[in-house]
Amino acid sequence: DTAVSQTPKYLVTQMGNDKSIKCEQNLGHDTMYWYKQDSKKFLKIMFSYNNKELIINETVPNRFSPKSPDKAHLNLHINSLELGDSAVYFCASSHAAMGPGAEETQYFGPGTRLLVL
Amino acid sequence: GQQLNQSPQSMFIQEGEDVSMNCTSSSIFNTWLWYKQDPGEGPVLLIALYKAGELTSNGRLTAQFGITRKDSFLNISASIPSDVGIYFCAGRRTSGSRLTFGEGTQLTVNP
Repeated sequence: DTAVSQTPKYLVTQMGNDKSIKCEQNLGHDTMYWYKQDSKKFLKIMFSYNNKELIINETVPNRFSPKSPDKAHLNLHINSLELGDSAVYFCASSHAAMGPGAEETQYFGPGTRLLVL
Repeated sequence: GQQLNQSPQSMFIQEGEDVSMNCTSSSIFNTWLWYKQDPGEGPVLLIALYKAGELTSNGRLTAQFGITRKDSFLNISASIPSDVGIYFCAGRRTSGSRLTFGEGTQLTVNP
């Protein structure tokens, strides 16, 4: 069974389009994240949701809007796509802080490879 | 924002060799984590460290939480081809705060 799944795995689109990436976790976690990995493989957090509430919102363009319909899902909608948005986007999930260790194991999805032409 | 300096950026070694990589920060971290990312996959947690000076092993992997709390080390002994991938350190300053990742170390193991 897939713990953290993302769709689509690959996404090729034109500049200016609007697209969504979906993420689902079946681990019973209450915290979910979106990370962006650039061409140099640098991982940077974008957003974090706990129990459907936004708790981390890094400095990302407001063209990026996360939506969490329930604890098991965190989707990422991107408006007016730009060339610089091309990257691999990873979803991850974990338990919220309940003491040392409980929150630390973030499980990552397989990634969505976005290419903007 | 907070940065973690990870080195080396890449390593090319022969099968059977030992590997060392490290991560340093200008700030104190309460948690250090080491992840591995296989090609085309997401990062997977290898080792988690919670106390300064802590030394933890996972098979052929050993990681240490530096006593200054500003660095961490990962060693891989007797490398094998499947060790190939990108190794990331990650740190957390306080409980509940975000993870900050290092730039990664790309490991290539030649059979």
